Amino acid sequence: RKEVEQDPGPFNVPEGATVAFNCTYSNSASQSFFWYRQDCRKEPKLLMSVYSSGNEDGRFTAQLNRASQYISLLIRDSKLSDSATYLCVFYQTGANNLFFGTGTRLTVIP
Amino acid sequence: EPEVTQTPSHQVTQMGQEVILRCVPISNHLYFYWYRQILGQKVEFLVSFYNNEISEKSEIFDDQFSVERPDGSNFTLKIRSTKLEDSAMYFCASGRDRGADTQYFGPGTRLTVL
Repeated sequence: RKEVEQDPGPFNVPEGATVAFNCTYSNSASQSFFWYRQDCRKEPKLLMSVYSSGNEDGRFTAQLNRASQYISLLIRDSKLSDSATYLCVFYQTGANNLFFGTGTRLTVIP
Repeated sequence: EPEVTQTPSHQVTQMGQEVILRCVPISNHLYFYWYRQILGQKVEFLVSFYNNEISEKSEIFDDQFSVERPDGSNFTLKIRSTKLEDSAMYFCASGRDRGADTQYFGPGTRLTVL
């Protein structure tokens, strides 16, 4: 079983739409969770951390469900500039490195 | 805002040749990392480096790979004898602390092995 699994998409949504991505992880010892954004041929950039209680940053909301071992990202009022690949990432304290999912590609259409 | 820089942005080499990829981490950071991303695939951890030694490495990081911090500012990844399957984007990252949300990624070096 893969460590991190994401629907690769692509998700094509109109501007203003709400879109949600899920990600499942297999390692129950995973400590911290993140969503990264990666533009084509660019480096991954941290979008937001994911906290157990759920957290929001503007139009973005992240949720963590440890019992079911998944995290989610909700984007409201999609903008053209949200077009990118969204990477589900977890961090294991003992390993001190990041484990990346393959990413979900989002295209926001005018 | 300080950033991680990497050179070159694109390196083309012949199979069997040695390459050195260079990174300048953010100046007050203590933890350094190399990741790679084969085209169309996920980002994969290669190695982490702290206090002038490797702290963790993945199974990808075999004897063909080595890392070094030769002068206190550069952090290099050397591939001794490149293979076709080494073609990928190589990202350097640095962090102030041991942890995830302090890892800052450089723009990457695209390595093409012919």
